[in-house]
Amino acid sequence: DAGVIQSPRHEVTEMGQEVTLRCKPISGHDYLFWYRQTMMRGLELLIYFNNNVPIDDSGMPEDRFSAKMPNASFSTLKIQPSEPRDSAVYFCASSFDPHRGTYEQYFGPGTRLTVT
Amino acid sequence: GQQVMQIPQYQHVQEGEDFTTYCNSSTTLSNIQWYKQRPGGHPVFLIQLVKSGEVKKQKRLTFQFGEAKKNSSLHITATQTTDVGTYFCAGRISGGSNYKLTFGKGTLLTVNP
Repeated sequence: DAGVIQSPRHEVTEMGQEVTLRCKPISGHDYLFWYRQTMMRGLELLIYFNNNVPIDDSGMPEDRFSAKMPNASFSTLKIQPSEPRDSAVYFCASSFDPHRGTYEQYFGPGTRLTVT
Repeated sequence: GQQVMQIPQYQHVQEGEDFTTYCNSSTTLSNIQWYKQRPGGHPVFLIQLVKSGEVKKQKRLTFQFGEAKKNSSLHITATQTTDVGTYFCAGRISGGSNYKLTFGKGTLLTVNP
């Protein structure tokens, strides 16, 4: 398995532009998570999906952020409009259903976003 | 909301010395996981602890879950340069159906050869 795939790996954009981050989870995983990592705030959960349905979006900072999961193999995180404070590394992770036992999360390589 | 505190924030050791990082939760956890992130990399799962007082070992790494299921520790014996990275604990709150993990801010370990 190729693992969790994220694109792009790096994104540099200007303030006010729309940014779309993409994620392909591991095939067969039931859960998908979006995280943001910064030095100041650490690793923060933004939103997670179960079987393509958003379950908890309480970590989404504000209305400028939105996430979708149109099918089991694809998810997007969109920021519109982007601001310099959105600069961070965004990780996507996926896991099996916890009822199967250990539900370790498999992280993708991340997208490093810089908003100037 | 749930908070997971981790100390120390940084730890620098000489190769061969031991290392310990501690994790404390404001609420009782159903389980706790540990992850390692190499510089420039992504978090990689190490282990999950579920039972009160549980102790698990992976070679030179020893993981403990407190009796009250509110704290945990990771101990590395005789560190090596390959141990360099940030170690995160991540806890899932007890009693809920929400499967989200709350991550500590991590302990960055550097090892001087």
